[in-house]
Amino acid sequence: DTGVSQDPRHKITKRGQNVTFRCDPISEHNRLYWYRQTLGQGPEFLTYFQNEAQLEKSRLLSDRFSAERPKGSFSTLEIQRTEQGDSAMYLCASSFLGGAIYEQYFGPGTRLTVT
Amino acid sequence: TQLLEQSPQFLSIQEGENLTVYCNSSSVFSSLQWYRQEPGEGPVLLVTVVTGGEVKKLKRLTFQFGDARKDSSLHITAAQPGDTGLYLCAGHLGSSNTGKLIFGQGTTLQVKP
Repeated sequence: DTGVSQDPRHKITKRGQNVTFRCDPISEHNRLYWYRQTLGQGPEFLTYFQNEAQLEKSRLLSDRFSAERPKGSFSTLEIQRTEQGDSAMYLCASSFLGGAIYEQYFGPGTRLTVT
Repeated sequence: TQLLEQSPQFLSIQEGENLTVYCNSSSVFSSLQWYRQEPGEGPVLLVTVVTGGEVKKLKRLTFQFGDARKDSSLHITAAQPGDTGLYLCAGHLGSSNTGKLIFGQGTTLQVKP
């Protein structure tokens, strides 16, 4: 059973550096979501894709953030010129568009620490 | 202002006790999920409720969706140390078709042996 996978699991970077995270969804899932979670809070929506199309972006997603899903399979989230406020857990989830229930399955997350 | 308010935020109880976690909103949700998350890991889906008044049971866990689909509760009977974790409610707004989840801030549960 291959669930959602994320790489890397942990990333420590210096302020001002660029970082890129990868998410591999469950293979038959056509929707892919990115969320950000800070300590003691629930996840907050960042963006989502249906197949390769990015259909919604949160206001939380500043112009330093960019996400892609080029072939409708894996996705990448890049943060340019990282700031200390970017430190958080970045979670990826996937779901299958069909029926009335949009159950999302999450990966283990990438913990980003900006020093 | 949090669209989904969870209470309590922290709960520390002894093994064998019962507890209830609440998730409330002024908005209508088309579905609501409960997740459990352990430190350093992603949330794991426990249950989805979609019908107002719906009750689902998962072993010692009972989930209820309010009649008006604005609130939900999670009741744990005879809690065990393995139940320790962060419990999150999350839902899809009734007006949304994106599948985007709105999360509560979570309830941290500690069950002491």
